[in-house]
Amino acid sequence: EVQLVESGGGLEQPGRSLRLSCAASGFTFDDYAMHWVRQAPGKGLEWVSGISWNSGSIGYADSVKGRFTIARDNAKNTLYLQMNSLRAEDTAFYYCAKGNRIAVASRFDSWGQGTLVTVSS
Amino acid sequence: EMVMTQSPATLSVSPGERATLSCRASQSVGSNLAWYQQKPGQAPRLLIHSASTRATGIPARFSGSGSGTEFTLTISSLQSEDFAVYYCQQYNNWPPLSFGGGTKVEIK
Repeated sequence: EVQLVESGGGLEQPGRSLRLSCAASGFTFDDYAMHWVRQAPGKGLEWVSGISWNSGSIGYADSVKGRFTIARDNAKNTLYLQMNSLRAEDTAFYYCAKGNRIAVASRFDSWGQGTLVTVSS
Repeated sequence: EMVMTQSPATLSVSPGERATLSCRASQSVGSNLAWYQQKPGQAPRLLIHSASTRATGIPARFSGSGSGTEFTLTISSLQSEDFAVYYCQQYNNWPPLSFGGGTKVEIK
């Protein structure tokens, strides 16, 4: 069974940083692209970033480009999202999602339960 | 940038009735379209991929159709557990991988 468990969320001040992690199990991690998708409270889904199986292809939403960095450690079956220069509009649930293939352009077959990031002074 | 537009924003349906949800892409995505269901307090769940293929374990009352820029999700006979928000997502062009704004299916 695929399991994706996010951690690292919490309350942080504007301009500060947070690092999210996603521990994956139940599948061969380095056979799939991985993604971060967020959802502001009461709002819709927004793709944040995706990374191919070997980290060779990475993409970001314009709203986070230059501030967020996605990474993966295939030896540890873990996905990361380094979030710098946080803004109030980054407040959201952040979901880790598994792609359906090695390439980033993929659907999201499985989702974690999400971790809440709140940016407020 | 690809824009995905869902309609209606809210759909009021009685249990047992048919629900038809629409998703339009600003440019062709071929058949690279997925539908997700999200219930309150839960993560989204993949329902349909490749425009018309049900994901594993999804009941046959859910069906998807369309290609190019126009897509439809149909729930043939709404059950109580189907009242939720539904999102479409294209994965043909990136970045970004874009979602529609969602359709809330509520009890009439």
